[in-house]
Amino acid sequence: QSALTQPASVSGSPGQSITISCTGTSSDVGSYDFVSWYQQHPGNAPKLIIYEGTQRPSGVSNRFSGSKSGNTASLTISGLQAEDEADYHCCSYAGGGTSVFGGGTKLTVL
Amino acid sequence: QVQLQESGPGLVKPSQTLSLTCTVSGGSIDSGNYYWSWIRQPAGKGLEWIGRIYSTGSTNYNPSLKRRVTISIDTSKNQFSLNLSSVTAADTAVYYCARHKPYFHYMDVWGKGTTVSVSS
Repeated sequence: QSALTQPASVSGSPGQSITISCTGTSSDVGSYDFVSWYQQHPGNAPKLIIYEGTQRPSGVSNRFSGSKSGNTASLTISGLQAEDEADYHCCSYAGGGTSVFGGGTKLTVL
Repeated sequence: QVQLQESGPGLVKPSQTLSLTCTVSGGSIDSGNYYWSWIRQPAGKGLEWIGRIYSTGSTNYNPSLKRRVTISIDTSKNQFSLNLSSVTAADTAVYYCARHKPYFHYMDVWGKGTTVSVSS
């Protein structure tokens, strides 16, 4: 079970859109529609922002959206705001009751 | 609403066993609707899922840690615990407990985390 692959960093200007990729294998991302995304501000615990690949919990801005194609899941943030600057982590079900996270992506709002 | 709080020693010696407890408040740990997970994060790195437990005591572990990990549950105290044996400096991390939704496999409520350092 290897960690999912995310870019170490992405950046964008306020108002722009950015996409963070999360690449796994046919044993995890490619086999299940159970990818979740978490936002983590420095010094804080992660916060769930997307589950089941595309679903947003109550209270999460509709500027956050998720998708999947093959073994790669993606998180798109539209209308970037300064408060979106944080680390983003993807997670996938990997079968056998196990889960696997990505290495995390640092988003910088320029 | 449900809240989780990690507790345990902040410093563990190499080769010893790391032991942490997560106390659940605002809801029953054996409501039957959730698993309860442990996740860790070394400084400056990504999250690593350690394992999870159901109220019945059924567990699932990360294959890379399985030989050293034991997760247990005490429904009378509304707590679940993590034991990680034979620790090394590589086990130094912030440890989080979280509520884990079954079937859909996401973690929707997290504790604030506790830092554990492994050092002599």
